[in-house]
Amino acid sequence: QVQLQQWGAGLLKPSETLSLTCAVYGGSFSGYYWSWIRQPPGKGLEWIGEINHSGSTNYNPSLKSRVTISVDTSKNQFSLKLSSVTAADTAVYYCARRDYYYDSSGYINWFDPWGQGTLVTVSS
Amino acid sequence: SSELTQDPAVSVALGQTVRITCQGDSLRSYYASWYQQKPGQAPVLVIYGKNNRPSGIPDRFSGSSSGNTASLTITGAQAEDEADYYCNSRDSSGNHLKGVFGGGTKLTVL
Repeated sequence: QVQLQQWGAGLLKPSETLSLTCAVYGGSFSGYYWSWIRQPPGKGLEWIGEINHSGSTNYNPSLKSRVTISVDTSKNQFSLKLSSVTAADTAVYYCARRDYYYDSSGYINWFDPWGQGTLVTVSS
Repeated sequence: SSELTQDPAVSVALGQTVRITCQGDSLRSYYASWYQQKPGQAPVLVIYGKNNRPSGIPDRFSGSSSGNTASLTITGAQAEDEADYYCNSRDSSGNHLKGVFGGGTKLTVL
């Protein structure tokens, strides 16, 4: 059973860079997209971006200028960096595996499993 | 538009059936997936694709789709189903391929 375990700094000052890492245990690293999703306190989920094992990325256009997602296939890990953080970046950050396939019905994808989440607070 | 729209809150009597909907143009091209989130916990996948349930998800959860609307139906809602529910899809508008979530629906079981 695949498990994701994430870690990183939980308290940042404005203008600093958020850095989180997610390790994948118990499954293949290839054939999926490895994703970051965040949730501000009391609000909904926001997709940040994703990467596959070969390093191909997709980013949320609203965050693209500040986001870098990278992968270390030797360690089955992927990482998120978000630069120039502000209070608006305060959120629980989740890593998740995105699986997908095509069939006669169309394109099907889903996020499963998810990491445990990391609360990142930006405050001066 | 790359948005997915959900009703903010829905309630259902214990044991009754409830439908949670998600609307958006991207749903004409991509299937939705649905997530249940309880307070303080990470989201959990409950439905993906046409109507697929991961192992461990009760069969009272089902999904459907028509046009620009995806639906999650809980048949015989239980107290433990009280949670926030989010839909997700892909969006390829504006030359960007990205994920998009609905705003979430808070389900209350009365």
